Amino acid sequence: DTAVSQTPKYLVTQMGNDKSIKCEQNLGHDTMYWYKQDSKKFLKIMFSYNNKELIINETVPNRFSPKSPDKAHLNLHINSLELGDSAVYFCASSQEGRLKETQYFGPGTRLLVL
Amino acid sequence: GQSLEQPSEVTAVEGAIVQINCTYQTSGFYGLSWYQQHDGGAPTFLSYNALDGLEETGRFSSFLSRSDSYGYLLLQELQMKDSASYFCAVDSNYQLIWGAGTKLIIKP
Repeated sequence: DTAVSQTPKYLVTQMGNDKSIKCEQNLGHDTMYWYKQDSKKFLKIMFSYNNKELIINETVPNRFSPKSPDKAHLNLHINSLELGDSAVYFCASSQEGRLKETQYFGPGTRLLVL
Repeated sequence: GQSLEQPSEVTAVEGAIVQINCTYQTSGFYGLSWYQQHDGGAPTFLSYNALDGLEETGRFSSFLSRSDSYGYLLLQELQMKDSASYFCAVDSNYQLIWGAGTKLIIKP
Protein backbone atom coordinates (compact mmCIF):
# COMPACT_ATOMS: atom_id res chain seq x y z
CA ASP A 1 0.00 0.00 0.00
CA THR A 2 1.23 3.46 -0.87
CA ALA A 3 1.92 5.48 2.25
CA VAL A 4 1.43 8.96 0.75
CA SER A 5 -0.35 9.27 -2.57
CA GLN A 6 -1.02 12.27 -4.77
CA THR A 7 -3.24 12.83 -7.77
CA PRO A 8 -2.77 13.74 -10.48
CA LYS A 9 0.82 12.81 -11.23
CA TYR A 10 0.97 15.23 -14.15
CA LEU A 11 -1.07 18.38 -14.64
CA VAL A 12 -0.87 20.61 -17.71
CA THR A 13 -3.10 23.65 -17.71
CA GLN A 14 -3.52 27.19 -19.03
CA MET A 15 -2.62 30.38 -17.23
CA GLY A 16 -5.51 31.78 -15.25
CA ASN A 17 -7.15 28.42 -14.52
CA ASP A 18 -7.93 27.06 -11.06
CA LYS A 19 -6.70 23.58 -10.19
CA SER A 20 -6.49 21.21 -7.26
CA ILE A 21 -4.03 18.54 -6.26
CA LYS A 22 -5.14 15.82 -3.89
CA CYS A 23 -3.06 14.11 -1.22
CA GLU A 24 -3.86 11.18 1.01
CA GLN A 25 -1.78 9.40 3.66
CA ASN A 26 -2.60 6.07 5.25
CA LEU A 27 0.08 6.24 7.95
CA GLY A 28 -2.14 7.68 10.65
CA HIS A 29 0.08 10.75 10.87
CA ASP A 30 -1.08 13.98 12.47
CA THR A 31 0.83 16.44 10.32
CA MET A 32 0.82 16.95 6.56
CA TYR A 33 2.78 19.29 4.35
CA TRP A 34 2.92 20.74 0.89
CA TYR A 35 6.25 21.47 -0.76
CA LYS A 36 7.13 23.17 -4.04
CA GLN A 37 10.26 22.12 -5.92
CA ASP A 38 11.22 24.36 -8.80
CA SER A 39 13.36 23.62 -11.83
CA LYS A 40 16.51 24.40 -9.86
CA LYS A 41 15.52 21.72 -7.35
CA PHE A 42 14.95 24.16 -4.48
CA LEU A 43 12.60 22.43 -2.07
CA LYS A 44 10.40 24.99 -0.36
CA ILE A 45 7.86 24.21 2.30
CA MET A 46 4.55 25.91 1.58
CA PHE A 47 2.29 24.72 4.39
CA SER A 48 2.32 22.43 7.34
CA TYR A 49 -0.98 21.42 8.86
CA ASN A 50 -2.29 19.29 11.65
CA ASN A 51 -5.68 19.15 13.25
CA LYS A 52 -4.72 22.03 15.48
CA GLU A 53 -2.94 24.57 13.38
CA LEU A 54 -2.01 25.64 9.92
CA ILE A 55 1.43 27.12 9.45
CA ILE A 56 1.81 29.06 6.27
CA ASN A 57 5.06 30.07 4.69
CA GLU A 58 4.58 33.81 4.41
CA THR A 59 6.14 33.88 0.97
CA VAL A 60 3.38 31.71 -0.50
CA PRO A 61 0.84 33.74 -2.49
CA ASN A 62 -2.71 33.60 -1.20
CA ARG A 63 -3.74 32.04 -4.52
CA PHE A 64 -2.57 28.81 -2.86
CA SER A 65 -4.79 27.33 -0.18
CA PRO A 66 -4.70 23.99 1.61
CA LYS A 67 -7.93 22.23 2.42
CA SER A 68 -8.15 19.30 4.80
CA PRO A 69 -11.45 17.39 4.86
CA ASP A 70 -10.00 15.00 7.45
CA LYS A 71 -6.71 13.99 9.06
CA ALA A 72 -5.71 11.71 6.20
CA HIS A 73 -6.18 14.26 3.41
CA LEU A 74 -4.64 17.59 2.57
CA ASN A 75 -5.55 19.01 -0.81
CA LEU A 76 -3.92 22.00 -2.47
CA HIS A 77 -6.05 24.50 -4.37
CA ILE A 78 -4.42 26.95 -6.71
CA ASN A 79 -6.37 29.87 -8.15
CA SER A 80 -5.47 31.96 -11.17
CA LEU A 81 -2.48 29.87 -12.15
CA GLU A 82 0.63 31.70 -13.33
CA LEU A 83 3.60 30.57 -15.41
CA GLY A 84 5.82 30.69 -12.33
CA ASP A 85 3.67 28.10 -10.62
CA SER A 86 5.13 25.45 -12.90
CA ALA A 87 7.00 23.08 -10.58
CA VAL A 88 6.78 19.73 -8.86
CA TYR A 89 4.53 19.77 -5.81
CA PHE A 90 5.15 17.22 -3.10
CA CYS A 91 2.83 16.27 -0.32
CA ALA A 92 4.39 14.78 2.82
CA SER A 93 3.32 13.61 6.25
CA SER A 94 4.89 12.94 9.64
CA GLN A 95 3.66 11.89 13.03
CA GLU A 96 4.36 15.30 14.50
CA GLY A 97 5.46 18.58 12.99
CA ARG A 98 9.09 18.19 13.93
CA LEU A 99 12.00 17.00 11.86
CA LYS A 100 12.84 14.27 14.35
CA GLU A 101 9.83 12.55 12.93
CA THR A 102 10.57 11.16 9.49
CA GLN A 103 8.67 12.88 6.74
CA TYR A 104 7.20 10.57 4.13
CA PHE A 105 6.82 12.16 0.73
CA GLY A 106 4.32 11.43 -1.98
CA PRO A 107 5.50 10.82 -5.56
CA GLY A 108 4.95 14.42 -6.60
CA THR A 109 2.66 16.23 -9.01
CA ARG A 110 4.34 17.79 -12.02
CA LEU A 111 2.48 20.98 -12.84
CA LEU A 112 3.07 22.78 -16.11
CA VAL A 113 1.31 26.08 -16.70
CA LEU A 114 1.18 27.22 -20.32
CA GLY B 1 17.48 35.77 8.17
CA GLN B 2 17.61 32.01 8.38
CA SER B 3 19.65 30.03 5.90
CA LEU B 4 21.26 26.72 5.16
CA GLU B 5 24.26 26.35 2.91
CA GLN B 6 25.45 23.23 1.19
CA PRO B 7 27.56 22.76 -1.96
CA SER B 8 25.55 22.65 -5.17
CA GLU B 9 27.48 19.73 -6.60
CA VAL B 10 30.03 17.14 -5.50
CA THR B 11 31.79 14.60 -7.69
CA ALA B 12 33.34 11.35 -6.46
CA VAL B 13 34.51 7.99 -7.72
CA GLU B 14 32.72 4.70 -7.22
CA GLY B 15 34.00 2.95 -4.11
CA ALA B 16 35.32 6.15 -2.56
CA ILE B 17 34.15 8.19 0.42
CA VAL B 18 32.46 11.56 0.09
CA GLN B 19 31.38 14.18 2.60
CA ILE B 20 28.56 16.68 2.01
CA ASN B 21 28.63 19.66 4.34
CA CYS B 22 25.78 21.76 5.62
CA THR B 23 26.12 24.98 7.61
CA TYR B 24 23.14 26.75 9.04
CA GLN B 25 22.10 30.07 10.51
CA THR B 26 18.78 29.83 12.27
CA SER B 27 17.05 31.57 15.17
CA GLY B 28 16.49 28.27 16.94
CA PHE B 29 17.65 24.71 16.51
CA TYR B 30 16.10 21.39 17.36
CA GLY B 31 17.76 19.08 14.88
CA LEU B 32 19.19 18.51 11.43
CA SER B 33 18.00 15.95 8.90
CA TRP B 34 19.30 14.57 5.64
CA TYR B 35 17.16 13.43 2.74
CA GLN B 36 18.08 11.75 -0.53
CA GLN B 37 16.28 12.43 -3.79
CA HIS B 38 16.90 10.57 -7.04
CA ASP B 39 16.07 12.33 -10.29
CA GLY B 40 12.34 12.16 -10.89
CA GLY B 41 11.72 10.74 -7.44
CA ALA B 42 10.57 11.97 -4.06
CA PRO B 43 12.85 12.84 -1.13
CA THR B 44 13.45 9.96 1.27
CA PHE B 45 14.69 10.20 4.83
CA LEU B 46 18.29 9.29 5.62
CA SER B 47 19.13 10.56 9.10
CA TYR B 48 18.38 12.95 11.93
CA ASN B 49 20.81 14.50 14.45
CA ALA B 50 19.68 16.45 17.47
CA LEU B 51 22.83 16.05 19.55
CA ASP B 52 26.49 16.55 18.74
CA GLY B 53 28.31 13.59 17.33
CA LEU B 54 28.23 10.97 14.65
CA GLU B 55 25.27 8.74 13.82
CA GLU B 56 26.01 5.74 11.64
CA THR B 57 23.54 3.80 9.54
CA GLY B 58 25.21 1.31 7.26
CA ARG B 59 27.31 3.07 4.63
CA PHE B 60 25.87 6.46 5.57
CA SER B 61 26.84 8.53 8.61
CA SER B 62 25.71 11.97 9.71
CA PHE B 63 27.57 14.34 11.99
CA LEU B 64 26.45 17.40 13.91
CA SER B 65 28.29 20.14 15.77
CA ARG B 66 25.78 22.51 17.35
CA SER B 67 28.48 24.90 18.54
CA ASP B 68 29.72 25.28 14.95
CA SER B 69 26.22 25.26 13.39
CA TYR B 70 27.53 22.60 11.09
CA GLY B 71 26.75 19.11 9.98
CA TYR B 72 27.78 16.70 7.31
CA LEU B 73 26.65 13.55 5.59
CA LEU B 74 29.34 10.94 4.97
CA LEU B 75 28.81 8.31 2.32
CA GLN B 76 31.23 5.38 2.21
CA GLU B 77 31.88 2.70 -0.41
CA LEU B 78 30.06 4.80 -2.97
CA GLN B 79 27.85 2.96 -5.41
CA MET B 80 26.41 4.26 -8.67
CA LYS B 81 22.94 4.11 -7.12
CA ASP B 82 24.05 6.79 -4.63
CA SER B 83 23.97 9.32 -7.48
CA ALA B 84 21.25 11.66 -6.29
CA SER B 85 20.63 15.01 -4.66
CA TYR B 86 21.08 15.28 -0.92
CA PHE B 87 19.20 17.85 1.15
CA CYS B 88 19.91 19.00 4.67
CA ALA B 89 17.03 20.46 6.64
CA VAL B 90 16.88 22.17 10.02
CA ASP B 91 14.05 22.20 12.54
CA SER B 92 14.04 25.73 13.89
CA ASN B 93 11.36 27.08 16.20
CA TYR B 94 8.48 25.39 14.42
CA GLN B 95 9.90 26.19 11.02
CA LEU B 96 11.39 23.55 8.77
CA ILE B 97 14.14 25.09 6.68
CA TRP B 98 15.63 23.20 3.76
CA GLY B 99 18.96 23.61 2.00
CA ALA B 100 19.15 23.94 -1.76
CA GLY B 101 20.45 20.40 -2.18
CA THR B 102 23.77 18.91 -3.25
CA LYS B 103 23.91 16.93 -6.47
CA LEU B 104 26.25 13.97 -6.02
CA ILE B 105 27.82 12.74 -9.24
CA ILE B 106 29.56 9.40 -9.10
CA LYS B 107 32.02 8.34 -11.76
CA PRO B 108 33.00 4.75 -12.43
